[in-house]
Amino acid sequence: GENVEQHPSTLSVQEGDSAVIKCTYSDSASNYFPWYKQELGKRPQLIIDIRSNVGEKKDQRIAVTLNKTAKHFSLHITETQPEDSAVYFCAASRASGGSYIPTFGRGTSLIVHP
Amino acid sequence: EAGVVQSPRYKIIEKKQPVAFWCNPISGHNTLYWYLQNLGQGPELLIRYENEEAVDDSQLPKDRFSAERLKGVDSTLKIQPAELGDSAVYLCASSYGTGKQFFGPGTRLTVL
Repeated sequence: GENVEQHPSTLSVQEGDSAVIKCTYSDSASNYFPWYKQELGKRPQLIIDIRSNVGEKKDQRIAVTLNKTAKHFSLHITETQPEDSAVYFCAASRASGGSYIPTFGRGTSLIVHP
Repeated sequence: EAGVVQSPRYKIIEKKQPVAFWCNPISGHNTLYWYLQNLGQGPELLIRYENEEAVDDSQLPKDRFSAERLKGVDSTLKIQPAELGDSAVYLCASSYGTGKQFFGPGTRLTVL
């Protein structure tokens, strides 16, 4: 089955700095890579995603890059703000039937210090 | 548009007791997922439904866990009997063909 490794487990930055979270996956059949943000006690929320036919996607301060050959993808957050503090999860998903099978990373706790 | 609804939000039971969780997905979403999330970890898939059919239940501990999605809309997840190690957050998510999943708020289960 799919195996997703996520690093680092904890990331502490100063407000205004950039943050990068990296994930690797093992199954070459995975073709959809979402990122979720989960605040304490809240539900995971999709913040950005990328499909395997695209190398990079950007949405304001967040961007995701994908290297299919190396089987790794990364989340980049620029100009971090205290409200970016949360746990971020990556996932690698492959299509199966009419839906997708996701495998999640263990999460990165991002702490942004004012 | 209403999001994914789950109930109850919190449940405390003694070990060996049964417990059930309910999920109402976003209207029109044909795929429904149940996950288990332990503290400090990512969601782990338990079962995936396409409409009323369970298409992937390989990670569901079938000796004590069961699930159903009658009529392809609402779903229930049951544990009987519960064990101490079942304490976790149980998340439900739904999607419609694109892979984008929308999560419910979860049910936090504590087994004493």
